[in-house]
Amino acid sequence: EVHLVESGGGLVQPGGSMRLSCAASGFTFSGTWMSWIRQAPGKGLEWVAHIKEDGSVQRYVDSVKGRFTISRDNAKASVYLEMNSLRAEDTAFYYCARDKVGGSYDAWGQGTLVTVSS
Amino acid sequence: DIVLTQSPDSLAVSLGERATINCKSSLSVWRTSNNLNYLAWYQQKAGQPPKLLIYWASARESGVPDRFSGSGSETDFTLTISSLQAEDVAVYYCQQYYYIPIVFGQGTRLEIK
Repeated sequence: EVHLVESGGGLVQPGGSMRLSCAASGFTFSGTWMSWIRQAPGKGLEWVAHIKEDGSVQRYVDSVKGRFTISRDNAKASVYLEMNSLRAEDTAFYYCARDKVGGSYDAWGQGTLVTVSS
Repeated sequence: DIVLTQSPDSLAVSLGERATINCKSSLSVWRTSNNLNYLAWYQQKAGQPPKLLIYWASARESGVPDRFSGSGSETDFTLTISSLQAEDVAVYYCQQYYYIPIVFGQGTRLEIK
């Protein structure tokens, strides 16, 4: 069974940093793109970033470019999101998701809440 | 950036009746080289992550009941629930994966009338 488990969320001050992790199991992790998608409380879904199977390609939504970095460790079947210069508008549930071939998402974690507040 | 606009924003339908949700894209998401529309639909129930229902605009994900169907091409798409069940109460999102950034519609809240 496919399983994605996010961790690392919590409360951080504006301007601070945080690293999210997503541990995967139940599938060939090294054979799939992975993504981070966020959802502000009570709001809609926003794609944040994705990374190719071998880590050679990363893409980001404009609002996080230069501040967030997606990475992966295929040996550990994990994907990460390093977040710097955090802003109040980054407050959201952050989900990791498995890319189905083409770019839809057929598996999601339960999400981890990041709250940016002083 | 591409924009996906869903309609309506909210919808109340009686049990057993048909529910229809529309998604209009500001740009075509149809790739001529493979004749595929890069459009997916998700269901999100309260307190849960989204669940993939439909991909390539009309392909039903494994395990999704056949009362869910997707249709449309290029810029206009529809998610249809043929006979609404109580467990279908949720927010539904469309998503395009043709362009970067990947974009979701704003969501449609479906309730029981």
